[in-house]
Amino acid sequence: NAGVMQNPRHLVRRRGQEARLRCSPMKGHSHVYWYRQLPEEGLKFMVYLQKENIIDESGMPKERFSAEFPKEGPSILRIQQVVRGDSAAYFCASSRSADNQPQHFGDGTRLSIL
Amino acid sequence: GIQVEQSPPDLILQEGANSTLRCNFSDSVNNLQWFHQNPWGQLINLFYIPSGTKQNGRLSATTVATERYSLLYISSSQTTDSGVYFCAVSETSGSRLTFGEGTQLTVNP
Repeated sequence: NAGVMQNPRHLVRRRGQEARLRCSPMKGHSHVYWYRQLPEEGLKFMVYLQKENIIDESGMPKERFSAEFPKEGPSILRIQQVVRGDSAAYFCASSRSADNQPQHFGDGTRLSIL
Repeated sequence: GIQVEQSPPDLILQEGANSTLRCNFSDSVNNLQWFHQNPWGQLINLFYIPSGTKQNGRLSATTVATERYSLLYISSSQTTDSGVYFCAVSETSGSRLTFGEGTQLTVNP
């Protein structure tokens, strides 16, 4: 039973480029969460999605960041015109339902901005 | 939003020692999880424990929801236990996790 799959594991971008991070939830999970971990800090919530719907995006920066979870395929976190401060580890988690269920985390994508 | 405080922030042990990590939270929760982030950055799910007590090998955890705290016990520590231990909770009104700042554990041989 495969866990949460994130790719790529490492991503290097130059300032101004776009970064696309992918997350495939565990089988049977329809709830996806994205978290960001800045260097030497804890994880911070970004966005919560169900299939084709954004449920809570209160942790997303207002500009350059977007997320989707289409009917078919993985969830995508997209960062446009990346800046040095976007360098971080981005973790995806999934759960079977919203309440009273653990979230299972992927191994993360380490984004480095040159 | 809910506040999560972990203590101690840093802990250094000799191999074989026992330790207790604490997590205090400021409001009622419907989810509480303990994670171990290893030196490679992977988040390992240790316990899902919004209430009660669970044990898994040398690790055990207890959450007293009415008093808003959880404890993680590590017995007979090993060097591979080194890393950062995070507590994360979600409020009864939502499902997103709020993480504490973590406890940095170093186990020396």
